[in-house]
Amino acid sequence: QPVLTQSSSASASLGSSVKLTCTLSSGHSSYIIAWHQQHPGKAPRYLMKLEGSGSYNKGSGVPDRFSGSSSGPDRCLTISNLQSEDEAAYYCETWATNTRVFGGGTKLTVL
Amino acid sequence: EVQVVESGGDLVQPGGSLRLSCAASGFTFSNYGMHWVRQAPGKGLEWVSGIGGSGDDTYYADSVKGRFTISRDNSKNTLYLQMNSLRAEDTAVYYCAKGGGGYVDSWGQGTLVTVSS
Repeated sequence: QPVLTQSSSASASLGSSVKLTCTLSSGHSSYIIAWHQQHPGKAPRYLMKLEGSGSYNKGSGVPDRFSGSSSGPDRCLTISNLQSEDEAAYYCETWATNTRVFGGGTKLTVL
Repeated sequence: EVQVVESGGDLVQPGGSLRLSCAASGFTFSNYGMHWVRQAPGKGLEWVSGIGGSGDDTYYADSVKGRFTISRDNSKNTLYLQMNSLRAEDTAVYYCAKGGGGYVDSWGQGTLVTVSS
């Protein structure tokens, strides 16, 4: 089954851009993933589905500042013009027959 | 508007049982797979179990296989998770999640299960 690898933490300044990466394990580089955002003490929120081609579909109400891209096994979430409310944990998710997998999550700090 | 609302979380002793429920609204419930995902205190998300739209197909993480049972009642738009032989490591917030095109596209607010004597 696929494994998703994320950096445990990232930081960037208010108003800048940040790219968060989720890497698919060997043999699974074509898989579609989803990105989710979770603020402390809150439920996760679906952000987008991201394909290996780089095509992405965002959930309802997700700001234009959020975009996705792909390169090989890497599935990236880019947040532009960082706002304080973007400080959260970000998880990637994928699925295979009879299972689904979450990455370990990246905690984003907005400086 | 899609909405899923969990209930049933509680404090239970090790070895005990608990049933979680998830009431769904705002979409045709029987058309979508549903999942339970949990999050232990200070940890990341862990998929627990999933079920197809008809209820015929069920899937479990190895960590809960043989102890947990997922089911659904499409006439009541409700998802369930029967949890038996609970262990301390099952302590977590349990989220009900709607399956989109394979991925989770809606989350509930979660219900807390604490396994402790």
